[in-house]
Amino acid sequence: DADVTQTPRNRITKTGKRIMLECSQTKGHDRMYWYRQDPGLGLQLIYYSFDVKDINKGEISDGYSVSRQAQAKFSLSLESAIPNQTALYFCATSEGLAGVGETQYFGPGTRLLVL
Amino acid sequence: GQNIDQPTEMTATEGAIVQINCTYQTSGFNGLFWYQQHAGEAPTFLSYNVLDGLEEKGRFSSFLSRSKGYSYLLLKELQMKDSASYLCAVREKNAGNMLTFGGGTRLMVKP
Repeated sequence: DADVTQTPRNRITKTGKRIMLECSQTKGHDRMYWYRQDPGLGLQLIYYSFDVKDINKGEISDGYSVSRQAQAKFSLSLESAIPNQTALYFCATSEGLAGVGETQYFGPGTRLLVL
Repeated sequence: GQNIDQPTEMTATEGAIVQINCTYQTSGFNGLFWYQQHAGEAPTFLSYNVLDGLEEKGRFSSFLSRSKGYSYLLLKELQMKDSASYLCAVREKNAGNMLTFGGGTRLMVKP
């Protein structure tokens, strides 16, 4: 079984709808992240969480919110989806140790299309 | 903030060697990662450098020069399955040790 899972894998929605993307991990990592990736561009950090009580904005948090329900679960919400939020979304986890321990492990991604 | 530059695309021949460069500007460098990402899939970790020099891992090696703000990923004995995007990511102390990713280099390996 995959260590980091995301649901749904694909989603089509309409402008103005609220949607939630979910991420679960069995790696036992404290740190979790949400990124978006647009074609030809790198990964951009939306939100991150270092533990259940810690939530931090990334570089592109506007239009998004998150919830860290448990150590293993981190969900991303789009309160009112707009077409320019069409992208590939990745969840990632890391141990929070120094050096190579900060390697991030990514889920399979959620492909979102906002019409 | 950071600025990370990588070539957008590269093409190489099966069995050959290819070097993918990454340059960065940061005020609090704290490590550099290389990831491989096949089309439509998740990035997977390849290598990590925090000190100057070469890290070798099988067919893949990664080099870092902190004074030059420069890294490269070297792929030897290229195989068709190496066709993918390669992402350079820099961790910066001043940004809470978050990773900032470059745009990625799409490598196409031809027979």
